[in-house]
Amino acid sequence: GDSVTQTEGPVTVSESESLIINCTYSATSIAYPNLFWYVRYPGEGLQLLLKVITAGQKGSSRGFEATYNKETTSFHLQKASVQESDSAVYYCALGESNYNVLYFGSGTKLTVEP
Amino acid sequence: DTTVKQNPRYKLARVGKPVNLICSQTMNHDTMYWYQKKPNQAPKLLLFYYDKILNREADTFEKFQSSRPNNSFCSLYIGSAGLEYSAMYLCASSKRTINQDTQYFGPGTRLLVL
Repeated sequence: GDSVTQTEGPVTVSESESLIINCTYSATSIAYPNLFWYVRYPGEGLQLLLKVITAGQKGSSRGFEATYNKETTSFHLQKASVQESDSAVYYCALGESNYNVLYFGSGTKLTVEP
Repeated sequence: DTTVKQNPRYKLARVGKPVNLICSQTMNHDTMYWYQKKPNQAPKLLLFYYDKILNREADTFEKFQSSRPNNSFCSLYIGSAGLEYSAMYLCASSKRTINQDTQYFGPGTRLLVL
């Protein structure tokens, strides 16, 4: 089936350090999958961080970047220098365009220490 | 207003009793979704409405019902709650587009079945 696997948390990094959260996907029934990162900040609902719908393209938002790599079926999330305010749970998701259905990974809880 | 509202935020139910959760949005989105989220697991799609058409995932087909009386509201109904239904229930909405539009999520309803 269609599935997403991402770095198991929790992940703790110090402020200004770099970050990578790994995400790989398997799309067996979706011909042209779209890839997303959603984030849930403490006390808030899930919200879109970034999305990429074309293989080979890079998405970016709030200093985070992720590149859609069809060859390695990966969509790793990276940031060069994290801040305390980046502490949240990050979800990688695979999507199909017909009805905007999303298949999520299990989430990675990130804590950024001052 | 990009808010998706869910009521109630917390729900305590007894085993064998029915549960009805409510979701609303005022973005005129044509699609509304319900996900189940358990600790350390991925949000799992239960069902979605595209306009007036209900689509339910195969493995949860018999466990959950839903109704959408108008474009703005969508409910999730459990006829007879079991302990395994304890979870966070997330509602989301989106507009069907060619390039897969963002899903907007509500804050969730935390259901505890005793």
